[in-house]
Amino acid sequence: KNEVEQSPQNLTAQEGEFITINCSYSVGISALHWLQQHPGGGIVSLFMLSSGKKKHGRLIATINIQEKHSSLHITASHPRDSAVYICAVGAAGNKLTFGGGTRVLVKP
Amino acid sequence: DTGVSQDPRHKITKRGQNVTFRCDPISEHNRLYWYRQTLGQGPEFLTYFQNEAQLEKSRLLSDRFSAERPKGSFSTLEIQRTEQGDSAMYLCASSLAARGRFEQYFGPGTRLTVT
Repeated sequence: KNEVEQSPQNLTAQEGEFITINCSYSVGISALHWLQQHPGGGIVSLFMLSSGKKKHGRLIATINIQEKHSSLHITASHPRDSAVYICAVGAAGNKLTFGGGTRVLVKP
Repeated sequence: DTGVSQDPRHKITKRGQNVTFRCDPISEHNRLYWYRQTLGQGPEFLTYFQNEAQLEKSRLLSDRFSAERPKGSFSTLEIQRTEQGDSAMYLCASSLAARGRFEQYFGPGTRLTVT
């Protein structure tokens, strides 16, 4: 079993739909990161969480430390949100352990 | 500062050749990380430095791989005697190690293709 599990692996939505990506982890963490990766490889940090909830524009990230679970929500999805979303947890040394990613396609 | 940079962005090499990649972190960042990402997978940790000290190496880092950060600034990752299985995106990230500061900033990656 991987230390960081994401679901779903792939997700297709129509423009405007609400999207949720889930992440479960099995190790102790110092912080959980949500990352976005576009074709071509560049990774952008969206959120870093150690508790509670954060919001940035149409993106919302939540974390439940007791349940070792986090969710990333995209409200009013848009085709430009199409990307791979990766959950990663940071532990000792802050090295990151990554989930396998969720490939999101938003159709117009 | 323009962020984390990596060079080259793409490298095609023949099996058995040696390759070296460079990462320039954000200037005030004291931690530097190398990750590897194969197609369709999430990245995997390879190694990290605090200043010039290499503090941890993954079991993924075979003896054909070596990384250095000689002056605590830029880092190099060398792969000797490349194999087709080394084909991947090699990502570098940097961070400032301080209490409560965990955010890592990623470079654009070096895509290696071994033919």
